[in-house]
Amino acid sequence: DQQVKQNSPSLSVQEGRISILNCDYTNSMFDYFLWYKKYPAEGPTFLISISSIKDKNEDGRFTVFLNKSAKHLSLHIVPSQPGDSAVYFCAATAGTYKYIFGTGTRLKVLA
Amino acid sequence: DGGITQSPKYLFRKEGQNVTLSCEQNLNHDAMYWYRQDPGQGLRLIYYSQIVNDFQKGDIAEGYSVSREKKESFPLTVTSAQKNPTAFYLCASRARPQETQYFGPGTRLLVL
Repeated sequence: DQQVKQNSPSLSVQEGRISILNCDYTNSMFDYFLWYKKYPAEGPTFLISISSIKDKNEDGRFTVFLNKSAKHLSLHIVPSQPGDSAVYFCAATAGTYKYIFGTGTRLKVLA
Repeated sequence: DGGITQSPKYLFRKEGQNVTLSCEQNLNHDAMYWYRQDPGQGLRLIYYSQIVNDFQKGDIAEGYSVSREKKESFPLTVTSAQKNPTAFYLCASRARPQETQYFGPGTRLLVL
């Protein structure tokens, strides 16, 4: 049972435009959500997180939105840059030590 | 500077051989984790440890073993019982619940 889903395996965006990556979850007990960026043959790098008590968190070009009623979160990257091309994973945790990861979305930013 | 190191970067295993992947962190984090990534898939949890001398099986623990004798170290052994070990292995650590999990650079395991 996939508790965290990233339904778009890939996304292409023009440089300078907005990239929107989506993530859906099924477990209403999740209370902390994270986004990671991963390049091939490297470990994931933490990007941004959000607690379930908030609905938005911003850090520079990155904004995460959380819609608890829809069990949906999204990552917005504005403006998109070629260096943003990578695989993006969302993850969730329910206040325990265990994290559940989505299958990832490959973002390609076209110059 | 602080971080998580994994060694080796590449590891080759012969049939029937056990191999051990190293993971060290100097972040003073209590919890450590091992994940496996296969092409086109997400991260699957193998084992995790919340404190020294304690660890729990994750979703795909069969064929793997771990130890946590020191806070800084969480080695993973891929045993001969793991029939499909070829994958990218990632170690991670975290200070407390509801905090960010940080990852090492990974080890790619290949079977000869």
